[in-house]
Amino acid sequence: ILNVEQSPQSLHVQEGDSTNFTCSFPSSNFYALHWYRWETAKSPEALFVMTLNGDEKKKGRISATLNTKEGYSYLYIKGSQPEDSATYLCALGPYQGAQKLVFGQGTRLTINP
Amino acid sequence: GAGVSQSPRYKVAKRGQDVALRCDPISGHVSLFWYQQALGQGPEFLTYFQNEAQLDKSGLPSDRFFAERPEGSVSTLKIQRTQQEDSAVYLCASSLADTDTQYFGPGTRLTVL
Repeated sequence: ILNVEQSPQSLHVQEGDSTNFTCSFPSSNFYALHWYRWETAKSPEALFVMTLNGDEKKKGRISATLNTKEGYSYLYIKGSQPEDSATYLCALGPYQGAQKLVFGQGTRLTINP
Repeated sequence: GAGVSQSPRYKVAKRGQDVALRCDPISGHVSLFWYQQALGQGPEFLTYFQNEAQLDKSGLPSDRFFAERPEGSVSTLKIQRTQQEDSAVYLCASSLADTDTQYFGPGTRLTVL
């Protein structure tokens, strides 16, 4: 069974502070790792698709890194703003021929003004 | 452009009732996925279509769950004789091709009383 783990499960950060959280996954048979941001009452929004070991991607104040050899990805948010409050999901896939995404349980981020 | 839409957004059903959840994918997207998200967990795969063909239904939890996509566009997830454990958010996603980024709808929150 493929296990994707995210930590921490929840996080409270002061506005203006920077933060990061982790996604861990099996390093074998890796194809792609996806990061999504899911705000309450909205659709999950695709942030990054990462495929290469050592990948680093950036979108505004959010960036992500990937280490496929050791099986982890970090998501960083610089200078947190209230609009960053959301659940951040990572997902592995496709995996071993199956097209589905396998998700972690998410990190719920709350930015305190 | 128009994203993935789902209806209804909220559904309350009495135990034993049948429900039907609709997904309108992005026009032209070949692949369509259904996921179930229980409270406090990440989304879990239910089933996958490529055009009208259901290629993977390994995630459907029981034979009470049935999905179709008869014309290769709109999809319906049907749950018969709903049980309390079916209470969850049901997410639909579409992608241009199998391995492309999956774009999600806002989900249908199903509550079974």
